[in-house]
Amino acid sequence: DVVMTQSPLSLPVTLGQPASISCRSSQSLVHIDGNTYLNWFQQRPGQSPRRLIYTVSNRDSGVPDRFSASGSGTDFTLKISRVEAEDVGVYYCMQGTHWPRTFGQGTKVEVK
Amino acid sequence: EVQLVESGGGLVQPGGSLRLSCAASGFTFSSYWMNWVRQAPGKGLVWVSHINTDGSSTNYADSVKGRFTISRDNAKNTLYLQMNSLGPDDTAVYYCTRDGSGEFDSWGQGTLVTVSS
Repeated sequence: DVVMTQSPLSLPVTLGQPASISCRSSQSLVHIDGNTYLNWFQQRPGQSPRRLIYTVSNRDSGVPDRFSASGSGTDFTLKISRVEAEDVGVYYCMQGTHWPRTFGQGTKVEVK
Repeated sequence: EVQLVESGGGLVQPGGSLRLSCAASGFTFSSYWMNWVRQAPGKGLVWVSHINTDGSSTNYADSVKGRFTISRDNAKNTLYLQMNSLGPDDTAVYYCTRDGSGEFDSWGQGTLVTVSS
């Protein structure tokens, strides 16, 4: 199975400041069709997960543009340009290139 | 608006069975792959199972293979997960998810399954 490793696992942030989460996969996520199926999810406290980003860098509808993502191959990053209070929660990367689909451990974003 | 509403969770004894349902609305259910994802209390997300549009192809995590069966009724716009031989490690919130523009683009609210004597 592809292992997804996120860092850090805990991220204390100051409101209004940037934040960055890294995700690394144990093998390349480039699919034979040429796409890279790496997604990012947000789970606010007490809520279901919500997808933010698909295929590395595409924001889902309604996702604020302070969220951006990039990467290729095995190294990926989610960035929040200016953290707001509503961004508190756990963020997961997830790969859909290989079966089984696997998630990272999650990164807990909290306000300092 | 896409809606996924899970039901069927509850308390079950070890070795028991349970069938989860996910009622879909707001989209053409028969056109989308569907999945179950679970989350044990205080833990991360784990993909459990996947089914294609007509139910002819399914995939399972190793941890549930041979015990869980995913199915769908496109006439009823409903996804199912039959869970047998349940153990304490199966205790989790089970989410129904859709593969739309990529994987897991929509999620339900989840249903809690507790396996305990």
